[in-house]
Order: sequence, then C-alpha cells, then structure tokens
Amino acid sequence: AQSVSQHNHHVILSEAASLELGCNYSYGGTVNLFWYVQYPGQHLQLLLKYFSGDPLVKGIKGFEAEFIKSKFSFNLRKPSVQWSDTAEYFCAVNAPGGSYIPTFGRGTSLIVHP
Amino acid sequence: DTGVSQDPRHKITKRGQNVTFRCDPISEHNRLYWYRQTLGQGPEFLTYFQNEAQLEKSRLLSDRFSAERPKGSFSTLEIQRTEQGDSAMYLCASSHRTDTQYFGPGTRLTVL
Repeated sequence: AQSVSQHNHHVILSEAASLELGCNYSYGGTVNLFWYVQYPGQHLQLLLKYFSGDPLVKGIKGFEAEFIKSKFSFNLRKPSVQWSDTAEYFCAVNAPGGSYIPTFGRGTSLIVHP
Repeated sequence: DTGVSQDPRHKITKRGQNVTFRCDPISEHNRLYWYRQTLGQGPEFLTYFQNEAQLEKSRLLSDRFSAERPKGSFSTLEIQRTEQGDSAMYLCASSHRTDTQYFGPGTRLTVL
C-alpha cells in the first residue's frame, strides 16, 4: 500500500517569501501525483498533477512541483507567496492500473503574513 | 459548470441516531468517492462507486456505514447508531473514469 509523508505540518511566511513544501511517498511502481489546496471555508481544489512526461509541473496561481523519482518526492514550490495563499495543502498519490484511489498526506497548514 | 454538491453542509446529532448524507456528482462523472477527514489529517478513503456498482470499501467503513448510488447518479452515505468518534467532515468527490477527482464542500457531522 502506498503512503504519503508531508514533513512540514505548519509553515508561516511573510509575503514575497519563497515556498517549498515537502512531499514524499512510498510506492515502488508508477504513480500519479497531486497537490490539492483547501482555502479557508472552501472545498479541496486541484493545484496541479503529474501523470507522466516533464517532471516539472506547473499549476494554477504560480505554483509548480517537481517529481524526483529517485527520491520518491513531489515537492511544491512558489517563488513568491501572497497573503491569499494562506490555506491547507495536501499531497496525494495513486497508482495507475488499480482503483486509482488516492492516498493523501496529512496536510501542511500555510499562513502568509501580509 | 455545476460542481459536486453535498447536503446537508452541517449535521448535529445525538449519539445513537442515524444520519444520511447526500452527494450529487458532476454530471457525466462515472466515479464517485466518499472520504472522511478529521482535524489535522488528510482525507481518508471510505468507499467508491463506478456507476452504480460499489467497487471498493475501506476497512474504516464499519458495518454501521452503508453507501448507495442508485442509477449511477447521486449517492447517499448512511451512518447508523452514530458514535462520538464518527464526528468528522465527510467528503464526496467525483471523476470521469480515472481522471482527477473533484471534491464537494463536505458535510460536517457532530455527534453529541
């Protein structure tokens, strides 16, 4: 069974700071990878996903993530955060060819101070 | 584009009561998923349907939980004899085949 680890549970940044949220997964085979975001009072939304191809994936709102297969990682980055990026961020992985049910990490709470 | 909707958004019940939640997926999405999320955790898979067939259930889904998706459209999740440990956010998501899942706003259950 796959598992997902998000090492940073709480991150506090000032506006314009750079962001990197860690995500590591454990699964030996091919994976699909996702980052979801949950803004305060809103539902989970997809930020970006990786299925295959270029390991550097660009998502909405200036976010990007890099899949490093050798490190089983899919870290989320943004060069300059805004106050509106304050949210919970969840990394998820599923294994194609099976039931495609994603396993989620426990999430990282990001607070951006203006 | 109407997204995934869930009803009710909040439910407060007393221990031992039965509750039922409804999820309306995005039309033409053939897969529907139920998750449970507690504070400080990511969503945990409960069960999923492909069309009207319930294909997989998590060990988290005790025999007090039952889900249906008649005619492959909306779905209901029923919890019988609720316990305080059932207090959580119950999320529904839908997808077209094996593509990205789209989540609803969730139903927050509080069991007193």
